[in-house]
Amino acid sequence: DAGITQSPRYKITETGRQVTLMCHQTWSHSYMFWYRQDLGHGLRLIYYSAAADITDKGEVSDGYVVSRSKTENFPLTLESATRSQTSVYFCASSWQGGETQYFGPGTRLLVL
Amino acid sequence: DQQVKQNSPSLSVQEGRISILNCDYTNSMFDYFLWYKKYPAEGPTFLISISSIKDKNEDGRFTVFLNKSAKHLSLHIVPSQPGDSAVYFCAALYTSGTYKYIFGTGTRLKVLA
Repeated sequence: DAGITQSPRYKITETGRQVTLMCHQTWSHSYMFWYRQDLGHGLRLIYYSAAADITDKGEVSDGYVVSRSKTENFPLTLESATRSQTSVYFCASSWQGGETQYFGPGTRLLVL
Repeated sequence: DQQVKQNSPSLSVQEGRISILNCDYTNSMFDYFLWYKKYPAEGPTFLISISSIKDKNEDGRFTVFLNKSAKHLSLHIVPSQPGDSAVYFCAALYTSGTYKYIFGTGTRLKVLA
């Protein structure tokens, strides 16, 4: 399907486990983003990528790792999940860092 | 340091009336300001934007106003419809030097039929 997709949509894991959230877009957008949404904090940027093999930290990057070997994919890995990483995670993309971002449907993650 | 603030977590408006959502920012270097709309269990969707060199942008029932001296922007929805009930996020972007895209905390709008 065209657009931006995220998988899984829901995930339950335990403290200390490694978790990878997937993001795939079909528009060939150069920029991709990961956000987390928490009550009272809105959307906070975790990492972004301007192109394949180029990534940069956002405001809440501790405990997260990203990679971008292909333009269309931007996986987010929680190396050792903590309860504070329970959140809804959104992936987004934009054309060359333009102002409009296109968001995926989100992944709801619960860390027990 | 919250550079983009939405001080009203919620707002209720009667159908047909005007909805006004507000957003304040602290950094005068932002190039663009945007509003996104979010329904439950969905990702945010772009609604309307405004360049920092303008003071107004209109798109159908939606108008965004920018007051640079007050570092304030607002979204007006006229007339409000029940389908407008959602969470609205303002966002600010600057690309000079470090790329920054910052969202506010959101305002939940409820339009009452």
